[in-house]
Amino acid sequence: DAKTTQPNSMESNEEEPVHLPCNHSTISGTDYIHWYLQLPSQGPEYVIHGLTSNVNNRMASLAIAEDRKSSTLILHRATLRDAAVYYCILRPSNTGNQFYFGTGTSLTVIP
Amino acid sequence: NAGVTQTPKFRILKIGQSMTLQCTQDMNHNYMYWYRQDPGMGLKLIYYSVGAGITDKGEVPNGYNVSRSTTEDFPLRLELAAPSQTSVYFCASGRGQGNIQYFGAGTRLSVL
Repeated sequence: DAKTTQPNSMESNEEEPVHLPCNHSTISGTDYIHWYLQLPSQGPEYVIHGLTSNVNNRMASLAIAEDRKSSTLILHRATLRDAAVYYCILRPSNTGNQFYFGTGTSLTVIP
Repeated sequence: NAGVTQTPKFRILKIGQSMTLQCTQDMNHNYMYWYRQDPGMGLKLIYYSVGAGITDKGEVPNGYNVSRSTTEDFPLRLELAAPSQTSVYFCASGRGQGNIQYFGAGTRLSVL
């Protein structure tokens, strides 16, 4: 089963970059790496995903290691609205199950 | 554009009662999912469906049943509610494996 490991919590100062790490040493060649965030009392929201190459969108960047055993979600300038739990998830492209949210990283943004 | 809609938002059940959590999506997604989230924990997959008429078990299916008669609807049934089923339930839909999932706002269920 493809699982991920993330730090339980991280802190960042407002307007500074944030690097959220994720280890996925058992990743297979067809697993996509997805990141979601969850605000209190809300459902998860999609942030970004990738397979092999680094990805950028308006919300964040995803840096994927060359061996794909780890990845980093980069928030370029943290704002108070970015305070949330961030989940790194492996999503197989060839099955509908066998993925795990884990407990995620709780990000605190300090004003 | 409503996205994924879950009803009810809150519910209190007595032990042994049954209920159905409703989930509907208007994005014409083939894939739909049910998760539960216990306090301070991540989400765990209960059941999922890859299309109308097709369902399969996830990580924690015991005590639950699902059906998928239409593309839009994916109800989750609790037959004999137990305190261990106290949780927040999220429904999600997506275009396919490896693609983005869209989540509903959740149903907070307490079994007393």
